[in-house]
Parts: sequence; C-alpha cells; structure tokens
Amino acid sequence: DTGVSQNPRHKITKRGQNVTFRCDPISEHNRLYWYRQTLGQGPEFLTYFQNEAQLEKSRLLSDRFSAERPKGSFSTLEIQRTEQGDSAMYLCASSLVLDLTDTQYFGPGTRLTVL
Amino acid sequence: SQQGEEDPQALSIQEGENATMNCSYKTSINNLQWYRQNSGRGLVHLILIRSNEREKHSGRLRVTLDTSKKSSSLLITASRAADTASYFCATGYGYARFGAGTRLTVKP
Repeated sequence: DTGVSQNPRHKITKRGQNVTFRCDPISEHNRLYWYRQTLGQGPEFLTYFQNEAQLEKSRLLSDRFSAERPKGSFSTLEIQRTEQGDSAMYLCASSLVLDLTDTQYFGPGTRLTVL
Repeated sequence: SQQGEEDPQALSIQEGENATMNCSYKTSINNLQWYRQNSGRGLVHLILIRSNEREKHSGRLRVTLDTSKKSSSLLITASRAADTASYFCATGYGYARFGAGTRLTVKP
C-alpha cells in the first residue's frame, strides 16, 4: 500500500499521560499536514511541514502539542499531559505541491480517547 | 479557522436519485476541493476545481464553481448506497480549510 499510513489506529490513554502518533506520507510528497477532527465536524488544521521545516502552526496547537518531521520523511505528533478535550481523530495528510494546487491525501487517522 | 460551509448539513435520498450539496466560502481562492469521508475513516479526495474553471466532471460527479458568489456545488448523479458518507469542501493553499460537511444517506 503506497498511501498515507498512521499508527496507531486507536489509542486509549489516561488523563495526564503523554501520547505520540506517527504518520508516514506518500514517499515523494514534500508536504505533510496534521489535522484534528471531532464528531460531526470537519477537520481542523493543526500544523504542516514542507520537507523538514514546520511552516505553520494553528493557534489550536497549545504548548502541550509538538510535531516533528526529521529528514523530511515521516512525522510524529506528541501530546503531553493529555486532557479529556484532546479526545478526537488525528488525521495526517501529505501532498506534492505543483503550481498552485495542493491535493492532499489523507491517512486513516488515529482515534485518541482520553479517559 | 473554518472556511467552507456546506449546505445542507444532512441529506437523505433514495438510490438512483441525484444528490446536490453546496459550499460557500469567505475569501478569494486558487482552487476548491471536495472530499468524501466514510464513517470513522480518513478523507478521500474527489475532485479539484481551479478558480478559473466553472464546471468539472469526474464520473458521476459534477462540480461547479461561482467565484462571484463564493460558492460551489457538488452533484452526484444516479446515487448508490455506497455513496453514503460525509462530504466536505475545502479551500486554501497550504493547509486546507474545511466546513462541517454534508452527511449524505442513500437508501437502497
């Protein structure tokens, strides 16, 4: 499968614990995005990278959230000291920027439940 | 911040009927994209329409774009039960700005 993959698919954790998610983009894609989606809503932007550089972060991304993309390949999203409000689906997408189009291909998501 | 707003929020039709969903957005765009999401899954890209295009077709999908009204529509013709999903429009270069989506139910 050459699509975007995310691990784990599901994560249940207790409030206050740290969690880390991984995203492997489509190999030739230079951009990688993280979104968060809650029930009944569309995805909300968290952050994105072009190669290894983090270009933009949402105000939603508090100090407890950090993302990395070492070597411009896979990315990790870490949430420290999780809170119940962090429960959501975390989606990763990747794209190859051409002209002014930026078609994003999404992974299956990681569903986080904070107890 | 969210950019697109889809209308209606929910739509229920019989198999074989056409489904039309609308999207409005706020700022100028380079292109607009439509995605589908099956329950609990990731999003699947359906179609991209550039700002200088007015209509685009892909199989049973027809997308229109009216930049003067800042709106787009997605038409699914001859719907099937497998089309049951949420549909989102997204705008933006860089990260995508999504609305809350239209939940389409196609009854067999």
